Amino acid sequence: NAGVTQTPKFQVLKTGQSMTLQCAQDMNHEYMSWYRQDPGMGLRLIHYSVGAGITDQGEVPNGYNVSRSTTEDFPLRLLSAAPSQTSVYFCASSYSVTSGNTIYFGEGSWLTVV
Amino acid sequence: KQEVTQIPAALSVPEGENLVLNCSFTDSAIYNLQWFRQDPGKGLTSLLLIQSSQREQTSGRLNASLDKSSGRSTLYIAASQPGDSATYLCAVRRYGGSQGNLIFGKGTKLSVKP
Repeated sequence: NAGVTQTPKFQVLKTGQSMTLQCAQDMNHEYMSWYRQDPGMGLRLIHYSVGAGITDQGEVPNGYNVSRSTTEDFPLRLLSAAPSQTSVYFCASSYSVTSGNTIYFGEGSWLTVV
Repeated sequence: KQEVTQIPAALSVPEGENLVLNCSFTDSAIYNLQWFRQDPGKGLTSLLLIQSSQREQTSGRLNASLDKSSGRSTLYIAASQPGDSATYLCAVRRYGGSQGNLIFGKGTKLSVKP
């Protein structure tokens, strides 16, 4: 049982480049989300999805794009990378956004923008 | 706006001590509260989940309590071990729809000395 899988684990980008962070879960969860974690700021929600074809913005969505074409996958796209997007990114999923179920996290993706 | 605060930010104890980590939140309208552990360079591991209707949850040497009316939760660790050294995060989950996402505290960094 793989749980929540994120790729890549580490990435260095140049300012202005674009890239996609991949997230996949094999638990048939409806709810998926992306957080970023920065020193002194804690984890902040970027985007989330309550099911295939449905996405919405979180607390810090600017500079990021998401889509949810399948239940399993929820990629996060950086459109034009900026140094302020240097961070650790976590993907998470749970059975439903309206339930009290545990939320599961991936191992994280460390992104550096130079 | 829901805010989650964790005190202290860092804690150092000798091995064998019992200890308490604190978490407070400003809005009592929550689905549940979840405690996570994060090791350096790793993702988040769920430790305990307390539903809003519950008062406490236990797992091994860990006991988490929830007092919704006062907006407080505590994580009690009995007979601490060096392997417990990590950052502990608490997060509250608000009621459904766009509110159903996690709000995190900034964590307590625990160091258990042999």
